[in-house]
Amino acid sequence: GAVVSQHPSWVICKSGTSVKIECRSLDFQATTMFWYRQFPKQSLMLMATSNEGSKATYEQGVEKDKFLINHASLTLSTLTVTSAHPEDSSFYICSARDPTSGKPDTQYFGPGTRLTVL
Amino acid sequence: QQQVKQSPQSLIVQKGGISIINCAYENTAFDYFPWYQQFPGKGPALLIAIRPDVSEKKEGRFTISFNKSAKQFSLHIMDSQPGDSATYFCAASMDSGYSTLTFGKGTMLLVSP
Repeated sequence: GAVVSQHPSWVICKSGTSVKIECRSLDFQATTMFWYRQFPKQSLMLMATSNEGSKATYEQGVEKDKFLINHASLTLSTLTVTSAHPEDSSFYICSARDPTSGKPDTQYFGPGTRLTVL
Repeated sequence: QQQVKQSPQSLIVQKGGISIINCAYENTAFDYFPWYQQFPGKGPALLIAIRPDVSEKKEGRFTISFNKSAKQFSLHIMDSQPGDSATYFCAASMDSGYSTLTFGKGTMLLVSP
């Protein structure tokens, strides 16, 4: 149980285009999902907390208009990188909690999406 | 300001040895301390977690030791195997784990055959 998937697993795009990354909880409903960014050989940096049916809460320094987050259902959150530039190239990872599991405090992570902006 | 300090940055251990990774935190409001394992190109996976009401938790070959007064916690991997070679992250959270996670910078572990 508590499986989180991401799609796509990797994407290459041209500078100036927008890219959408999907995060799904496959076998549970997640009222809260989290989006992280990870540069090579670095730690995970929280970008935003995504709440179903409401606006996302962004961490300090994260551009809301550049990283659009939508949590339209209890099993799907999307991250759209708008007008992507090479410096946005990174590994994007989502996570979710399963409130009905025996470990409601545990964050289950997706497999990540590698974004390369040319 | 980094709230969770992790060391060492990298670690090489022989097969069968004990791997030890340490973390220290500053915020006394933290009350949930998980350890995650991450393989290259994959998302992190929860290994084991502990709360401040216990000083040690063991699951298989993995043990967390927790020192509340020193604000430190550590991961011990017993009988380390080459398959344990990965990056390990400690983390901390408040509100019994319901708030956001603050991660350490990670430790790259290599277990030599």
